[in-house]
Amino acid sequence: NAGVTQTPKFRILKIGQSMTLQCTQDMNHNYMYWYRQDPGMGLKLIYYSVGAGITDKGEVPNGYNVSRSTTEDFPLRLELAAPSQTSVYFCASTEFLDRVYTGELFFGEGSRLTVL
Amino acid sequence: QKEVEQDPGPLSVPEGAIVSLNCTYSNSAFQYFMWYRQYSRKGPELLMYTYSSGNKEDGRFTAQVDKSSKYISLFIRDSQPSDSATYLCAMKLTGGGNKLTFGTGTQLKVEL
Repeated sequence: NAGVTQTPKFRILKIGQSMTLQCTQDMNHNYMYWYRQDPGMGLKLIYYSVGAGITDKGEVPNGYNVSRSTTEDFPLRLELAAPSQTSVYFCASTEFLDRVYTGELFFGEGSRLTVL
Repeated sequence: QKEVEQDPGPLSVPEGAIVSLNCTYSNSAFQYFMWYRQYSRKGPELLMYTYSSGNKEDGRFTAQVDKSSKYISLFIRDSQPSDSATYLCAMKLTGGGNKLTFGTGTQLKVEL
């Protein structure tokens, strides 16, 4: 299993450009998440999904959009990029096993985005 | 007040030392408590998981939860240079889409 795969790993955007961060998982997990990590600020939840066709906002959704058309894919769209969106973005997934919460989120390796 | 508070460090210790990492939280409804380890330029990975109060031990690692004080700890015995990483505490309510609330992380360096 590849786990959670994120692309691209690095990207530089100009202010006002748009882009999509891709996230794919091959573990058949229903729950998927997008976090951003800024220095000294921990992980902040942007959007999450509890299954295909269902998405909801997290703590910091402004400036982002998501979709979940399949169980495997959970892309994050940045519209009109701003310098405040310079960050490291992590996609993660999880599942209950036999209805028991395991505490484990599986993270991708991150996508480093710089907006200039 | 932040929902989860964690000293950012950096914390530098000699090899073989006992390390204590801590988080405090304000929401008494948190029931699930995790510690994640994050190496530089990598995604976090689960290290320890505890449900409700009590202690849990796994090799050199011990996690403690004191719900009455809203305080959780991670102890690392016989610390190794390979333990150098950022340690993030995380907490979850019952239900709620399995969303975790993370601390800011403590950067640990174990020196030879």
